Amino acid sequence: EDQVTQSPEALRLQEGESSSLNCSYTVSGLRGLFWYRQDPGKGPEFLFTLYSAGEEKEKERLKATLTKKESFLHITAPKPEDSATYLCAVQAMAGGTSYGKLTFGQGTILTVHP
Amino acid sequence: DSGVTQTPKHLITATGQRVTLRCSPRSGDLSVYWYQQSLDQGLQFLIQYYNGEERAKGNILERFSAQQFPDLHSELNLSSLELGDSALYFCASSSTAETQYFGPGTRLLVL
Repeated sequence: EDQVTQSPEALRLQEGESSSLNCSYTVSGLRGLFWYRQDPGKGPEFLFTLYSAGEEKEKERLKATLTKKESFLHITAPKPEDSATYLCAVQAMAGGTSYGKLTFGQGTILTVHP
Repeated sequence: DSGVTQTPKHLITATGQRVTLRCSPRSGDLSVYWYQQSLDQGLQFLIQYYNGEERAKGNILERFSAQQFPDLHSELNLSSLELGDSALYFCASSSTAETQYFGPGTRLLVL
């Protein structure tokens, strides 16, 4: 069974203090690893998709990286508006009844103080 | 705005009742997914439809059912509601089996 574990559960940063969020996964053949941002009471907002080990993607202050066992979301010089829950999800290779399904971690709650 | 719409935004009902949640996917997306998010379980996959046909099933209860119509909108039907069914229900859509875009969700409260 596919599993995703995110750490830490919560992270408090000062504005400008860079840090990283971790996503460890086990999956029967990775099709893609996804990062989403979720604000309270809202739907998850897509950030990145990573497909193979060594791949990196960047968007503003965020950079996502992927290895064979984990992914990191690096946040450089965060601002208060980066405060949100960051969710990691994996999708297994197509086939059988698992086609399309995303398996999510519990998320990391990020708070950035001014 | 992801382009995925869900109605209603909020729903309050009583135990034993039946409700229907509606989702309209992004223009051109053939796949619709339903997820449940509760405080203790996180985001859990329920079911996927592709162009009107069921494609994948998660741990969806027998009291829950879904369908996708010819115009590609989808409905999630929840019956014999229990207190534990209170949660946020999200719909997502995709044009391929990969990146899924989520709607704003329906918050269900069962009293």
